[in-house]
Amino acid sequence: RKEVEQDPGPFNVPEGATVAFNCTYSNSASQSFFWYRQDCRKEPKLLMSVYSSGNEDGRFTAQLNRASQYISLLIRDSKLSDSATYLCVVNMDDMRFGAGTRLTVKP
Amino acid sequence: ETGVTQSPTHLIKTRGQQVTLRCSSQSGHNTVSWYQQALGQGPQFIFQYYREEENGRGNFPPRFSGLQFPNYSSELNVNALELDDSALYLCASSLGRGSYEQYFGPGTRLTVT
Repeated sequence: RKEVEQDPGPFNVPEGATVAFNCTYSNSASQSFFWYRQDCRKEPKLLMSVYSSGNEDGRFTAQLNRASQYISLLIRDSKLSDSATYLCVVNMDDMRFGAGTRLTVKP
Repeated sequence: ETGVTQSPTHLIKTRGQQVTLRCSSQSGHNTVSWYQQALGQGPQFIFQYYREEENGRGNFPPRFSGLQFPNYSSELNVNALELDDSALYLCASSLGRGSYEQYFGPGTRLTVT
């Protein structure tokens, strides 16, 4: 089993759609969790940290389920500018990245 | 506030050669981590430096080595380059070890021929 596993994608959605990404991790001792976005041929940029109580930042909502070792990212009212690869990141003494899920938002 | 910078942006090397990549951390950050990202994959952790000491290493051979300087900038050195070393090399800085958020530089794209 991979340490951090994400939906393979790609996701192709129309503008305004709601899309959800899932991520599972193998190490129950993992300490912190993040979502990054990466545009084509660019560096990953921190989107949001994920807290046990769940957290929201505008159209983006992240949730963590420690019992199931599962993280999710929900994007509401998708914009064309949301098109990117979304990386799930789990800190297990060092940062472990999933392979990423590619999202394309179409007009 | 100055972000993370890396140099060079692109590099082409021949198999067997050696390469040094450089990274300047974000202002106020004392921890630098290096990652290798192959096409279509997520970044893979190489190692981390905290206050000039190696603080964790991923599954990379010893020909991958690094340094951190007193100003917290860092170098990644790769000896005896192999074709599979072709990738985007990313440097990320953070406030400290452990659970801190990391901020990435633009990366160095290395091609080994």
